[in-house]
Amino acid sequence: GIQVEQSPPDLILQEGANSTLRCNFSDSVNNLQWFHQNPWGQLINLFYIPSGTKQNGRLSATTVATERYSLLYISSSQTTDSGVYFCAVLSGSARQLTFGSGTQLTVLP
Amino acid sequence: DAGITQSPRHKVTETGTPVTLRCHQTENHRYMYWYRQDPGHGLRLIHYSYGVKDTDKGEVSDGYSVSRSKTEDFLLTLESATSSQTSVYFCAISEVGDRSSYEQYFGPGTRLTVT
Repeated sequence: GIQVEQSPPDLILQEGANSTLRCNFSDSVNNLQWFHQNPWGQLINLFYIPSGTKQNGRLSATTVATERYSLLYISSSQTTDSGVYFCAVLSGSARQLTFGSGTQLTVLP
Repeated sequence: DAGITQSPRHKVTETGTPVTLRCHQTENHRYMYWYRQDPGHGLRLIHYSYGVKDTDKGEVSDGYSVSRSKTEDFLLTLESATSSQTSVYFCAISEVGDRSSYEQYFGPGTRLTVT
């Protein structure tokens, strides 16, 4: 099946800093989603982005499908951005998402 | 809010007992999924449903069964719980969108501990 790799595995930032999270995938995808899992365990949809660029406030994402990677940008980070960021893809005839192992983000005040 | 609720939210049970987790949606979406989340493994699919009484296995289906008798409810059953099934269980829903997107939305999760 498709492989999804996220980097870095851990990231510690000072409040106000910017960051870039990366997701590499091994095959073409029909769907790519970014999620934020907050410290209470909720999985929050950030972006549905199988290709192209989207922005939502301080967050933006870009997927280059032909090169099989996606980037999540967080600008002016806040302590509430802390948590785990997951990339998940859907490939071929599959109806279920395959998740990466996540990036653990800690934003210090 | 994607209109997904899970019950119970927390459960402690003993090895060998049956356990049923419920996922309820108000969105009338066709697809429903059960995932488990474990440290070091991320989220892995257990079973999914593509309609009433239509289900299929996922990556880690052994020891689990599911049922869907109504569009809004998807039940996950552990026939005889084992300690290896201690996990956080997430339900998700999706609908076929543009270009077969199947964008998924997740419920709040159920923390299950098997002692």
